[in-house]
Amino acid sequence: DAGVIQSPRHEVTEMGQEVTLRCKPISGHNSLFWYRQTMMRGLELLIYFNNNVPIDDSGMPEDRFSAKMPNASFSTLKIQPSEPRDSAVYFCASSVEGQGYNEQFFGPGTRLTVL
Amino acid sequence: AQTVTQSQPEMSVQEAETVTLSCTYDTSESDYYLFWYKQPPSRQMILVIRQEAYKQQNATENRFSVNFQKAAKSFSLKISDSQLGDAAMYFCAYRGGGGADGLTFGKGTHLIIQP
Repeated sequence: DAGVIQSPRHEVTEMGQEVTLRCKPISGHNSLFWYRQTMMRGLELLIYFNNNVPIDDSGMPEDRFSAKMPNASFSTLKIQPSEPRDSAVYFCASSVEGQGYNEQFFGPGTRLTVL
Repeated sequence: AQTVTQSQPEMSVQEAETVTLSCTYDTSESDYYLFWYKQPPSRQMILVIRQEAYKQQNATENRFSVNFQKAAKSFSLKISDSQLGDAAMYFCAYRGGGGADGLTFGKGTHLIIQP
């Protein structure tokens, strides 16, 4: 079975440009999470969806960040405009709600570099 | 808000020896889950072991075991017979028991295995 798929794996862009990160959760999973990992702040939850509906976006750092989940098999995280401090690894994870501890399965991450 | 603290930025152990990684957390909830994740240089997040707060028995997975002290809010990971492949960042994580919530991570411990 395919795991969580993220694209691109690496992204290098210039300050001010729009960046879109993509995630395909595991088929049948109904919860999706976006995390960001930096040296300074570690791993942080940005936003999560349940049945395609955003449940908690309190971790989104500012209005430049937005996330969507138009259907059960696709989500995007957009940064517009991007800034050098947005450089980080962005992880997407998915899980099945209602099965005990609801293990989250992580994608390989997207390493974003904003110059 | 829940917090997770890992007080050891780096630990070193001789191959075949035993090492314990520390983790404390703060929560007002009575129902929750605790996890240890491994992140090798490939940056893939790998679940090592989990513990349900309502279970008194400490979880064990082969060479990995935890010491869960609910009253003290402590959740340490013991790795027995350390192997070179155990070298990685280890993250302690908390998740509330209310449903498909996101994970709160500690800052991580870098584990070095000395051959």
